[in-house]
Amino acid sequence: DTGVSQNPRHKITKRGQNVTFRCDPISEHNRLYWYRQTLGQGPEFLTYFQNEAQLEKSRLLSDRFSAERPKGSFSTLEIQRTEQGDSAMYLCASSFGTQQPQHFGDGTRLSIL
Amino acid sequence: KQEVTQIPAALSVPEGENLVLNCSFTDSAIYNLQWFRQDPGKGLTSLLLIQSSQREQTSGRLNASLDKSSGRSTLYIAASQPGDSATYLCAVRPNGANSKLTFGKGITLSVRP
Repeated sequence: DTGVSQNPRHKITKRGQNVTFRCDPISEHNRLYWYRQTLGQGPEFLTYFQNEAQLEKSRLLSDRFSAERPKGSFSTLEIQRTEQGDSAMYLCASSFGTQQPQHFGDGTRLSIL
Repeated sequence: KQEVTQIPAALSVPEGENLVLNCSFTDSAIYNLQWFRQDPGKGLTSLLLIQSSQREQTSGRLNASLDKSSGRSTLYIAASQPGDSATYLCAVRPNGANSKLTFGKGITLSVRP
């Protein structure tokens, strides 16, 4: 069990650029979740996958956001045409089934200049 | 819509004190409740998971209780240490197939040597 791994740890980009984050879940975990956390707030749910199927998307996930989990392994979260309001910590979590706890990675901190 | 509240937002205690962190939620139709620890700039570390049918869970110096009918949970930390300084978040998962977590804003704990 190597834990949930997220890359990069930090991303600084100019407004309007596209960015992509990667999440490698704990092996054998079939569920993968993306959350966003801004300063002083708890994480907010964005989307989740069961294997390769994306089962739910939050209203926070505008059409500039897209997430994939090809082959049910790692996942990517892409933000197109970034805006100042996208600055946040993007957290990935995984779990095995619904009764087990969600385990989080260290997140990717996105800063928009 | 589920809302999770953690009050106070910050707490400072001397080393060795036993303390209780509170969490309340508005919708009692939860599947489970999870307590997390977050160190500055880091992801979330799962501390305890309580299923809706359980009343409490213990791990080392930590004990979490759940009163689903009143919409409350507490995290008890015995004999606090400076290393316990962190932000503690609680999160609830609703009943049904949806496994997204709704978080509180967290309580930032400082344990003074």
